[in-house]
Amino acid sequence: EAAVTQSPRNKVTVTGGNVTLSCRQTNSHNYMYWYRQDTGHGLRLIHYSYGAGNLQIGDVPDGYKATRTTQEDFFLLLELASPSQTSLYFCASSDAGGYYAEQFFGPGTRLTVL
Amino acid sequence: AQSVTQPDARVTVSEGASLQLRCKYSYSATPYLFWYVQYPRQGLQLLLKYYSGDPVVQGVNGFEAEFSKSNSSFHLRKASVHWSDSAVYFCAVTTGNYKYVFGAGTRLKVIA
Repeated sequence: EAAVTQSPRNKVTVTGGNVTLSCRQTNSHNYMYWYRQDTGHGLRLIHYSYGAGNLQIGDVPDGYKATRTTQEDFFLLLELASPSQTSLYFCASSDAGGYYAEQFFGPGTRLTVL
Repeated sequence: AQSVTQPDARVTVSEGASLQLRCKYSYSATPYLFWYVQYPRQGLQLLLKYYSGDPVVQGVNGFEAEFSKSNSSFHLRKASVHWSDSAVYFCAVTTGNYKYVFGAGTRLKVIA
């Protein structure tokens, strides 16, 4: 069964702080995604990647960087965190075998920026 | 740009009653359509998906959804809900570019 893990599960930082959220998938999936989930907005795509070293811009990328170091690992970086980035962040992965691919989600990271 | 609208932010139904959660999408071509469920403190899990063929598609745990091209809709249904169905339900679309667009979600509460 697909497995996507995220760390940390909870994080509190201050405005201007530096935060890295980690995601690892053990499914050998090519595609990985970072979303943020906010009440009233559902999930919004921040960045995604189709392989190590690749990065694609999502729909709400401002203030976020991401890096895909290996097929398994995808990181989301907030270099100058702001209170507007307080949110629940989800990582997901999917196979590249067609556009119909199911996304497998991690358990989420709750980030609070004070 | 493609979009997904779930008009009901919250729905409350009695256990054993039938359920319909609404989803409308905006896209010129037929998208790939999904319903996901999010149980408390968990990530999203796939309920069902659709692209072509029979407009009624069956999913897990007795859920089904019906696609309507004329109405640009993909409503989720269940004949008899259980208290364990209480969760947040998301409709999502993709148009083949590996980007997924999610609706805002509908929070379902099943009461005794």
